[in-house]
Amino acid sequence: EAGVAQSPRYKIIEKRQSVAFWCNPISGHATLYWYQQILGQGPKLLIQFQNNGVVDDSQLPKDRFSAERLKGVDSTLKIQPAKLEDSAVYLCASSPRRDRGPAFFGQGTRLTVV
Amino acid sequence: AQSVTQLDSHVSVSEGTPVLLRCNYSSSYSPSLFWYVQHPNKGLQLLLKYTSAATLVKGINGFEAEFKKSETSFHLTKPSAHMSDAAEYFCVVSEVSSNTGKLIFGQGTTLQVKP
Repeated sequence: EAGVAQSPRYKIIEKRQSVAFWCNPISGHATLYWYQQILGQGPKLLIQFQNNGVVDDSQLPKDRFSAERLKGVDSTLKIQPAKLEDSAVYLCASSPRRDRGPAFFGQGTRLTVV
Repeated sequence: AQSVTQLDSHVSVSEGTPVLLRCNYSSSYSPSLFWYVQHPNKGLQLLLKYTSAATLVKGINGFEAEFKKSETSFHLTKPSAHMSDAAEYFCVVSEVSSNTGKLIFGQGTTLQVKP
């Protein structure tokens, strides 16, 4: 079974630029998560989708972050414009069910904003 | 509201000695609990999960955890540490009765294994 695929693995941008991350979840998984992991901290949920609908985006900085999952399969997370404090690893995860987990994680995208 | 507290940010053990990583949780509903491991520059890997079945849960690589409702704890143990166990470990809680199933991560415990 293929795992969660994310790209790119690494990205370096200047502040105020925009960036997009892509995630392809495990086939058949209805729930998709985006997490932000700042160095030395545990992952923090940014947004959770159930199929193509948003279940929780309470911690997503909506003035600069956006995410979509148009066909209920793969997803993109965008930051525009980026700030220095957005430097982190962005993790995508998927789960077959939203009420019991577990979630399976991709390798992540390491973003550095300079 | 649910939350997770990992009581030690850093644990150091010698190879071949037992490992204990401590986790306390707070949840309004019946929780599902998980332990994940993260090796440097690698993704998060599920070690084990508790979902209201047996309170003693066995996972991969010889790890196990015991759910103690009275103590609101879910500590991770391993009888004998191996050098390859050195990594970051995260305790995670998800509320079963929540309509979101949001996963809340602890701050993580760094396990160092000395030869």
